[in-house]
Amino acid sequence: EPEVTQTPSHQVTQMGQEVILRCVPISNHLYFYWYRQILGQKVEFLVSFYNNEISEKSEIFDDQFSVERPDGSNFTLKIRSTKLEDSAMYFCASSEITNGELFFGEGSRLTVL
Amino acid sequence: AQSVSQHNHHVILSEAASLELGCNYSYGGTVNLFWYVQYPGQHLQLLLKYFSGDPLVKGIKGFEAEFIKSKFSFNLRKPSVQWSDTAEYFCAVIPNTGGFKTIFGAGTRLFVKA
Repeated sequence: EPEVTQTPSHQVTQMGQEVILRCVPISNHLYFYWYRQILGQKVEFLVSFYNNEISEKSEIFDDQFSVERPDGSNFTLKIRSTKLEDSAMYFCASSEITNGELFFGEGSRLTVL
Repeated sequence: AQSVSQHNHHVILSEAASLELGCNYSYGGTVNLFWYVQYPGQHLQLLLKYFSGDPLVKGIKGFEAEFIKSKFSFNLRKPSVQWSDTAEYFCAVIPNTGGFKTIFGAGTRLFVKA
């Protein structure tokens, strides 16, 4: 069964450092997403990506965040200068249609010290 | 603002007990509704979904959910839980506005005692 894969599974970084989280969505899906879950809190939407551009983003997704699909398979989330409050589990997801079922990766746990 | 409320944060049941997890959403238009489950150490996966038609939908592993439009609710049920149902359950909504954002509830942690 096709699946979404994410790397790394866990990253520890110092405050102010740049982090790149990587995702390989399901190959025939057209819509890509990043969500995050701070420990003990709800799953929050960050950004959606379609046709090589951001289609929607939340207020959380400020100038410190960026996404790109550099090579037609990977979908990355970059945090330019990490803050303590960026510590969370980051989930990548993809879907076939815009308002359908999401297929999630296993998540990347980011710890900012 | 659009939101999804799950009534219980933690539920503890014995095996064979019946389960009902509440979910309400705040949005006046049409929506697509989902329940996702996250088993310990695994990724979020779809349990069931409702787009239109019969408001009683059946999902995997004996779960079902009922959409009650007048109550803005989409409660999850299972007649008899098993130890393997121990997981976190998330209700989720996509308003049919052409947007891309799935809105999640806070989740309910279910622990089933063997």
